[in-house]
Amino acid sequence: DAKTTQPNSMESNEEEPVHLPCNHSTISGTDYIHWYRQLPSQGPEYVIHGLTSNVNNRMASLAIAEDRKSSTLILHRATLRDAAVYYCILIGYQTGANNLFFGTGTRLTVIP
Amino acid sequence: DGGITQSPKYLFRKEGQNVTLSCEQNLNHDAMYWYRQDPGQGLRLIYYSQIVNDFQKGDIAEGYSVSREKKESFPLTVTSAQKNPTAFYLCASSPSGDRTDTQYFGPGTRLTVL
Repeated sequence: DAKTTQPNSMESNEEEPVHLPCNHSTISGTDYIHWYRQLPSQGPEYVIHGLTSNVNNRMASLAIAEDRKSSTLILHRATLRDAAVYYCILIGYQTGANNLFFGTGTRLTVIP
Repeated sequence: DGGITQSPKYLFRKEGQNVTLSCEQNLNHDAMYWYRQDPGQGLRLIYYSQIVNDFQKGDIAEGYSVSREKKESFPLTVTSAQKNPTAFYLCASSPSGDRTDTQYFGPGTRLTVL
């Protein structure tokens, strides 16, 4: 199973950019990289996903390394509402019970 | 409004009792998921269903059972065989289970065994 590793925690000052890293050295060529975030006592919410090219949406940007063994979620200006646990997961063609692994994620603290 | 509902929000169970957690979605999604989350931990997949009347066991299916008789409903039963059921349970759905799908999560049910 393709797995990801993320730092347990990170801090950022409010209104500054945040770069959240994710390593996925065993990624296969067909795995998509997804990011979700979870606020306390809530279900996770989708942030962004990509395959090879960098991706942008209204919430964040996703930078994917050329060899795809790592990726970085970029929040351009952190706000207090961005304080959450961020999960990086891989989902491949054989979607199903063997390919859904959220890990422990990165807890982002935003300092006012 | 479209979305996923889980009920109840909080559930208390005595040891030895079975309990069923409800999950309903009106997003017309084919795929549905059940996850378990322990304090300070990530999500672990219990069961996954890609279509009605079909489901697959996840990493921690022992002590749990599911059914998928209707597209919009995916109830999870926590049986007395589950040795440590106290946890936060999350249900999710996605359009087809494809690798590009976004999963939409419900608000969760917090189960406590007394």
